[in-house]
Order: sequence, then C-alpha cells, then structure tokens
Amino acid sequence: NAGVTQTPKFQVLKTGQSMTLQCAQDMNHEYMSWYRQDPGMGLRLIHYSVGAGITDQGEVPNGYNVSRSTTEDFPLRLLSAAPSQTSVYFCASNSNRARSGELFFGEGSRLTVL
Amino acid sequence: GQQVMQIPQYQHVQEGEDFTTYCNSSTTLSNIQWYKQRPGGHPVFLIQLVKSGEVKKQKRLTFQFGEAKKNSSLHITATQTTDVGTYFCAGFADYKLSFGAGTTVTVRA
Repeated sequence: NAGVTQTPKFQVLKTGQSMTLQCAQDMNHEYMSWYRQDPGMGLRLIHYSVGAGITDQGEVPNGYNVSRSTTEDFPLRLLSAAPSQTSVYFCASNSNRARSGELFFGEGSRLTVL
Repeated sequence: GQQVMQIPQYQHVQEGEDFTTYCNSSTTLSNIQWYKQRPGGHPVFLIQLVKSGEVKKQKRLTFQFGEAKKNSSLHITATQTTDVGTYFCAGFADYKLSFGAGTTVTVRA
C-alpha cells in the first residue's frame, strides 16, 4: 500500500518559472490537502479539497493553484515561483471529509526558488 | 483566528531523562492530535485526544488533554535516542486543523 505519494522530492526553480507538485493517494480518501513547512512556523495549510471537483483555500493560498479532477490526485501548481515559496511541501489526506482524525502525509517535496 | 502555540521550541534532553512539551490553543478545541517528524522525514500521526481531561499512554509517551479543551501536553519518560525529532500538536476546531510550530527534541547520549 503506497499511501500518499509526492513527486518530485527535490526541485530547484528560477524566479518566475512555473511548476506542478504531484500528489496521489491510493486509500480512497475524500479529503486531501497541501501544507508548507518553514522553520519555526509549523505546517501551514495552502489549499484543500473535500472531494473530486471541490477545492478551497487554506491559510496561505496566494501564488498557488489546485484542482481535484479525481479522488486520487491533487496537484499543486506554482504559477510564477518566488523566493518566498522556497519551502518543504507536504501533501496529506484523511478519510474524513470533516478533517477530524489522522492525517496521512506524503514524504514531502523540497523546493528551492532562486 | 484559531492559534495553537507550542512550547518549548527546542528541548535538549539527556538520555534517560523525562521531558514535557506543551500545546495551548486560543480557542476551545473539538480534538487535538499529536504528530512526530523525524529529521528529514514527514509528520506521522501519534494520537488523537477528544474528551476533556483525557489521558492516553503509548509506552513511554503520555498525552493529556486539558479540562477546558484548550491545552494539551506530551510527556516522555526515560528519553531514548529514538525519540529525536519534532513533535507537533494540531488543534481541530470549526473544521480547521491548526498546527503548532513544534518542539524539536535532541538527545545527548
């Protein structure tokens, strides 16, 4: 059982470039989310989805887009990368649409924007 | 908005000693979760507390939820090198899960 799979694990971008971080889960979870982790700031929610076709903004959505065309996949798009988006990104899923209960995290994607 | 504060930010522990990390919320929580992240790894769920005053144990780890459901603690006894990592609490309220900044634990052998 793969759980939550993120790609790529590492990425270096130049300012202004765009890219997509991929996230897939094979647990049939309705809830999926993206977090960014920065030193001393814990995990901050970027965007989330409670099911296919439904997405919403979290705490820090600016500069990011998401879509949820299938239950399994929840890609995160950086439209025009900025150095402030240098971070470690985690995708997480939950079997509970109300988000109460265990979050399953992917292994993370470390992004550096030069 | 909902804020979750966690102290201390860093905890340096001698192997074999005990320590406690604390989590405080600005609002009353429906439940609180704890996660552990090993260096270079991803957060892994440890436990969820739901009831006021609830205490749960996992081997050397003891988790407590405050009576007012606004604070929680994680106590580790007889610290081992395997306890190294960052421990996060996450408070759930109004369909939102807010993470604390974490307590990073290092262990002196």
